[in-house]
Amino acid sequence: LAKTTQPISMDSYEGQEVNITCSHNNIATNDYITWYQQFPSQGPRFIIQGYKTKVTNEVASLFIPADRKSSTLSLPRVSLSDTAVYYCLVGDQQAGTALIFGKGTTLSVSS
Amino acid sequence: GAVVSQHPSWVICKSGTSVKIECRSLDFQATTMFWYRQFPKQSLMLMATSNEGSKATYEQGVEKDKFLINHASLTLSTLTVTSAHPEDSSFYICSAPTGSKNTEAFFGQGTRLTVV
Repeated sequence: LAKTTQPISMDSYEGQEVNITCSHNNIATNDYITWYQQFPSQGPRFIIQGYKTKVTNEVASLFIPADRKSSTLSLPRVSLSDTAVYYCLVGDQQAGTALIFGKGTTLSVSS
Repeated sequence: GAVVSQHPSWVICKSGTSVKIECRSLDFQATTMFWYRQFPKQSLMLMATSNEGSKATYEQGVEKDKFLINHASLTLSTLTVTSAHPEDSSFYICSAPTGSKNTEAFFGQGTRLTVV
C-alpha cells in the first residue's frame, strides 16, 4: 500500500478556504485516493474519493495532478465544526484490503 | 447511505473480565469487516480482518487469543477482549467496505473501553 505524508496540523479561521495536501509518491496504477474526517470519539467519516483530475461534492473538492503523486483536499469556507482530523488514504479497489491510516492532519478552526 | 453500527458506545469493566463489542452492517452485507484500535492522540491501528465464515486474520503483534473475533453472519462481527487489563483501554472501531470500491468504507461510531 502506498504510504502517505500529510502535515501534522493546520490552523484556520472561520470562513477561510483550507487546502490540505497529501503526498503519495508510490501510488500504484489501480490506487484511488480517499479522504476521511474524524471527530473526537467518533469513527472516521468518508469525505471524498478520486482517481485523477478534480472531484467535487457538497462537502469538499479533491485535486489530483496528472502524476497522481500528491492530492489536495479543499474545504471551502470552513466553520468551527470542521475542526477534526483529516486522513488521506491511498489504496486499490480490491475487496478485502484494509485501509491503513497515516497520522492525519489535525485541523483547528477558530472564530 | 450505508451504515455500520457498533455497540456499545462505551463500556467500563474490571480487570480480568471479558468484554464483547458488536459491529453490524445495517443495510448491506459485509463478508469482510475490519477492527481498529486507537489510543489518544494517535491514528487508527489495524488489529485484524474479520472474514464471514472463516478465521480472522490478525496483524503482527495482536494476540489472537486475547482479541477474539467472530464473524458468524454477513451483517455481524464481534470483538471480544478477554481478560482485559488497563492497557487494553482504548477506542475500538470497526469498518466494512460497501462494495467493489474497497476504499469507500464505512465506520462504526467506535467503542470506548475503559478497564479499571
